[in-house]
Amino acid sequence: KNEVEQSPQNLTAQEGEFITINCSYSVGISALHWLQQHPGGGIVSLFMLSSGKKKHGRLIATINIQEKHSSLHITASHPRDSAVYICAVRPGANNLFFGTGTRLTVIP
Amino acid sequence: EPEVTQTPSHQVTQMGQEVILRCVPISNHLYFYWYRQILGQKVEFLVSFYNNEISEKSEIFDDQFSVERPDGSNFTLKIRSTKLEDSAMYFCASGGQGMYNEQFFGPGTRLTVL
Repeated sequence: KNEVEQSPQNLTAQEGEFITINCSYSVGISALHWLQQHPGGGIVSLFMLSSGKKKHGRLIATINIQEKHSSLHITASHPRDSAVYICAVRPGANNLFFGTGTRLTVIP
Repeated sequence: EPEVTQTPSHQVTQMGQEVILRCVPISNHLYFYWYRQILGQKVEFLVSFYNNEISEKSEIFDDQFSVERPDGSNFTLKIRSTKLEDSAMYFCASGGQGMYNEQFFGPGTRLTVL
């Protein structure tokens, strides 16, 4: 069974803080996705990675395949970063298995 | 920038009715997906579609569900006889030329079954 665990479930930060969200999974994967879901429900793909590290603006995603663990970091957090961040893994080619998400609130 | 679009944004229907949710994937993408998210729960995979046929489906995707790419641009999800528990947000996604490519999600259709 594919298990995707995220921590923390909820996170409140002050504007400017460095934020880390963690994701652990239980099976071998071909790729891991980090997604952002806003209050209206829409989902935006942030990263897809299968090894190492990727950076886009203030967002950094890392993955350790051996440890079956990934982290999403947000530097200099801003209230507009407030959203649900979802980790999803791709065990094979076709489908994604999703974590329950981390709800981030950044306070001005 | 190309994006996945979905219509309608919100659909309300009576239990037992048929609904069709529509998606227009990004134009040069070859892989298409439907996911759903019941309120307060995580997103779940329903089905993937490639080369005009289903490539994988989950246990949720039973005989009440079907998918179609009727005209080369639209990608539809049909629920034949809706149940209360079908109420959810339904997301369409599309992926590029290779099956391992990134998936791009549409804004979702909120289905409410009364």
